[in-house]
Amino acid sequence: EPEVTQTPSHQVTQMGQEVILRCVPISNHLYFYWYRQILGQKVEFLVSFYNNEISEKSEIFDDQFSVERPDGSNFTLKIRSTKLEDSAMYFCASSERSGGANEAFFGQGTRLTVV
Amino acid sequence: QKEVEQDPGPLSVPEGAIVSLNCTYSNSAFQYFMWYRQYSRKGPELLMYTYSSGNKEDGRFTAQVDKSSKYISLFIRDSQPSDSATYLCAMTLSGSARQLTFGSGTQLTVLP
Repeated sequence: EPEVTQTPSHQVTQMGQEVILRCVPISNHLYFYWYRQILGQKVEFLVSFYNNEISEKSEIFDDQFSVERPDGSNFTLKIRSTKLEDSAMYFCASSERSGGANEAFFGQGTRLTVV
Repeated sequence: QKEVEQDPGPLSVPEGAIVSLNCTYSNSAFQYFMWYRQYSRKGPELLMYTYSSGNKEDGRFTAQVDKSSKYISLFIRDSQPSDSATYLCAMTLSGSARQLTFGSGTQLTVLP
């Protein structure tokens, strides 16, 4: 069964360092997303991406964050200068269709720990 | 008022029980409603997806949406220990909007 894969599963980084979280969405999907979940809190939307550009982003997704689809398979989230409060599970998701028919499938997540 | 509210539980039931999980929401523009299951430290897994008001059944799972009351439910029949997880409701607007707005999740334990 097709699935969204994320690497690494756990990333520890020092405050102020840059991190890149990687995702391989399901191959025939066109829409890609990043969500995050701080321990014990809700899953929160960060950004959606379609046709090589950002289509929506939340207030959380500030200038420290960027996304890229560097090739035909990978989708990355970069955090330029990590802060302690960036520690969270980061989930990549993808969906086949647009608009409200948004059956998004999630990866297993990357646990980011900023020390 | 929070956009999506969900009782966090924890909810503990005996095996075989019928489980009822619920969410309320404040934004009447939400049109698409999902239920996800999340095991500890794993990604959310899509269980059910419904559009607008009505019921949808899939095996032991039934999703209900009542847009007039801004209330959605997930029923699990003949619950099993393997159903023990956190259940997240999520919803999205119509049109080109794609972001999911999640509830906080209900932690369910089914006791053998």
